[in-house]
Order: sequence, then structure tokens, then C-alpha cells
Amino acid sequence: QKEVEQNSGPLSVPEGAIASLNCTYSDRGSQSFFWYRQYSGKSPELIMFIYSNGDKEDGRFTAQLNKASQYVSLLIRDSQPSDSATYLCAPGAGGTSYGKLTFGQGTILTVHP
Amino acid sequence: GAGVSQSPSNKVTEKGKDVELRCDPISGHTALYWYRQSLGQGLEFLIYFQGNSAPDKSGLPSDRFSAERTGGSVSTLTIQRTQQEDSAVYLCASKLGRTGTEAFFGQGTRLTVV
Repeated sequence: QKEVEQNSGPLSVPEGAIASLNCTYSDRGSQSFFWYRQYSGKSPELIMFIYSNGDKEDGRFTAQLNKASQYVSLLIRDSQPSDSATYLCAPGAGGTSYGKLTFGQGTILTVHP
Repeated sequence: GAGVSQSPSNKVTEKGKDVELRCDPISGHTALYWYRQSLGQGLEFLIYFQGNSAPDKSGLPSDRFSAERTGGSVSTLTIQRTQQEDSAVYLCASKLGRTGTEAFFGQGTRLTVV
């Protein structure tokens, strides 16, 4: 089983719609969860992190965490063409692997006008 | 410096040569990570450092790959006897050692083995 799994997409949504990105992870000891955005040809940049079960909202972005199901998601409301990028999920490892940061394969999001 | 600095930005090398890639993390960041990203692929974990020690080097693809970190700061990733399949962007990231803190990425080194 992969440590982090994401649908690679591509996910295509119309401008103004809600984009839903999903991620599952295998390490039950993970305590913190990061969503990074990577534009083509650029380095990843952090857009959200969450470490408590439930929802965390920041502007148009909402991260949702369910530790029991080992599932974390990212919702982007009112999607814009500028949101078109690859979104990477990264659970911070727990237990004996504490400190290791492993990324999923990423979901390619395209927002079309 | 203000951010994570990697050098060189681009490196073209002949198959069989050795290369060294350098990462200068943000001052005070105790954790440092190396990743490899092939075209159109995700981030492949290579190794991470906590201070000068590497608790997990499980991602190094072969014994041709090695990395070190000195003084809790600069890190060097060395690839010996390069092969064409080593061609990729090598990304370095650093963060504070505490859990829940953001990892900042450098601009990467694009390695091309010809």
C-alpha cells in the first residue's frame, strides 16, 4: 500500500465551481497534514495545513480531515483559472518515521473559463 | 538567505560522470529534505535530515546516490556514475523541526544526463 494516495486526475471544473481533491494515507501516526500547490515548472508552495479532525477554512480553501478514515480532502470554492495547478497532499509522518514528509502523486486540476 | 537556495539551477552532464547538487536551507531550519521529480510525475522522497543525521534514507534509489549535511546547514546530494534515468528535477526543502510547520522549497536543480 502506498503511503499517500491521490487521484492523479486530471480534474477539470468550470470557473466558479467547487473543486474537490482527495487524499488517503496509511500512517495512523500522522498528526499534521499539508496541501501544496505546484504550478507547472515551479516548486511546490504550501496552501493549507490541518491537524485536527473536522474542517479548516482559509478564504476559498477548506481542508477536511478524518483521522479514523485516514482521509484528508481539499475543497476549492469559486474555482478560478489561476487555480489550475497540481495539488499535492503530504501527511507529516508519526511514530518511528516522525519528521519524514512524503507527498502523494498529486492531482492535476484544470479550471476552464 | 531569505529562502532555500539550490545550486546549480541547471546541470548537464555526460553519462558516467559524478555530480554534486547543493542545498542551502533557511537559517535555523533543522529539517532538510531531498526529492526527485521526473517530468509529469510526483515528488519522490529521497532522504531527510534532522540536524546532521539522516533518520530516513530509504528513498535513495541506489548506492550511486548519497547525501550529507554539515554544520546543520548546507546539504550536498551526490550522484555517482550518472545514468540517463537520473535526469530529473531535484528539489530540496527545509523546515523547523517542530511538527505542523511548513516546509519551504528551493527552486530545484534540473539535471540532464546525456
